[in-house]
Amino acid sequence: EVQLVESGGGLVKPGGSLRLSCAASGFTFSSYSMNWVRQAPGKGLEWVSSISSSSSYIYYADSVKGRFTISRDNAKNSLYLQMNSLRAEDTAVYYCARVDSSGWYSAFDIWGQGTMVTVSS
Amino acid sequence: SSELTQDPAVSVALGQTVRITCQGDSLRSYYASWYQQKPGQAPVLVIYGKNNRPSGIPDRFSGSSSGNTASLTITGAQAEDEADYYCNSRDSSGNHLFGGGTKLTVL
Repeated sequence: EVQLVESGGGLVKPGGSLRLSCAASGFTFSSYSMNWVRQAPGKGLEWVSSISSSSSYIYYADSVKGRFTISRDNAKNSLYLQMNSLRAEDTAVYYCARVDSSGWYSAFDIWGQGTMVTVSS
Repeated sequence: SSELTQDPAVSVALGQTVRITCQGDSLRSYYASWYQQKPGQAPVLVIYGKNNRPSGIPDRFSGSSSGNTASLTITGAQAEDEADYYCNSRDSSGNHLFGGGTKLTVL
């Protein structure tokens, strides 16, 4: 079964750090670009970061650039998001998602169940 | 601009057809993908590319595109289709974009 399982969420104080992990199974992880997408309580989806299959290409949303770092370990079938200098507005459910793409589209075809990050004093 | 715009809410009578739209400059270069999200659940991909449905998605879901507007059409809406729907695309910088979401109510 194709599956993504996030972990590492929790309660952290403003200015603190947290590292999220996403364990992939059921597919060839090293062949796919991966992403983090978040959703604040009661709000819409917000793309956070993207990493290509070999880590050659990395992108960040302006809202997290300079504070978050995406990485992956293809040997461990794992995706990570290191979050530093956390703010209250980073409070959200964080999803990892696999990307299926061609030259004309890029679709998040597999999603994890999400992990909640709460930034509060 | 790097934005995707959706109507916040749409309603449809049970069994009728509804179209949910998404507008943005990036849609002139890239097809939109569409996601269904029910309360407390992760999003699910329902349409991608020109008009492709992942395995398990009913054929009452279809997609189309014209200029800077992408559309998701549900033909014969069912009660279980009541959900939030999001469009997604990429911009020329490689970033991903999501629309603000449309809440679909099936009456």
